[in-house]
Amino acid sequence: QSVLTQPPSASGTPGQRVTISCSGSSSNIGRNTVNWYQQLPGTAPKLVIYSNNQRPSGVPDRVSGSKSGTSASLAISGLQSEDEADYYCAAWDDSLNGNVFGTGTKVTVL
Amino acid sequence: EVQLVESGGGLVQPGGSLRLSCAASGFTFSGYWMTWVRQAPGKGLEWVATIKRDGGERHYVGSVRGRFTISRDNAENSLYLQMNSLRAEDTAVYYCARAVCGGPPTKTFYFYYMDVWGEGTTVTVSS
Repeated sequence: QSVLTQPPSASGTPGQRVTISCSGSSSNIGRNTVNWYQQLPGTAPKLVIYSNNQRPSGVPDRVSGSKSGTSASLAISGLQSEDEADYYCAAWDDSLNGNVFGTGTKVTVL
Repeated sequence: EVQLVESGGGLVQPGGSLRLSCAASGFTFSGYWMTWVRQAPGKGLEWVATIKRDGGERHYVGSVRGRFTISRDNAENSLYLQMNSLRAEDTAVYYCARAVCGGPPTKTFYFYYMDVWGEGTTVTVSS
């Protein structure tokens, strides 16, 4: 059972902006940094945002992250067909003493 | 090139054991915490376990604690996951990942993320 809650799906047309929310608690997002992973169909996950809003090398700047209190969000602007994937938020949980993932959001480009 | 390659997956009966391996290359293996993450068919990601650079500290998800053991051999640049008393619900693709983590001494981690992932190995528990 995932500790972080995400909407199951999100969609947009090419060029639009899509935002994915991630709701947690004081033991995870409220105290620690949030990361986001992208998983293309049939492939391993890939880190796209770390430490709330930092992009690894190679991730385009149209992908951004933010955090406020016990929630976080991932935004993808200028939506492209290659962005169609599952996205997971994650953070360390102090109570569970483990990393927790979100429920996952499937992004569809219409 | 930084790379992680898992092996050791397969079909095992309930109650059986399996040992997964992960071969690392292209980076200083002993300088990183390492992690196992799994994904059941059609489901989301689940963090399984993590191990400190020198193997001196380990953390597990509750559902595998006491059944799975994470270990490493820094001389061989290898990570392992010994899985005992396997259950049907352990069926999943198991990913090896490099972890970047840290924080103040008053807590386990403030930041913890997986920046390099392997392609995964499939474990099926079924009779």
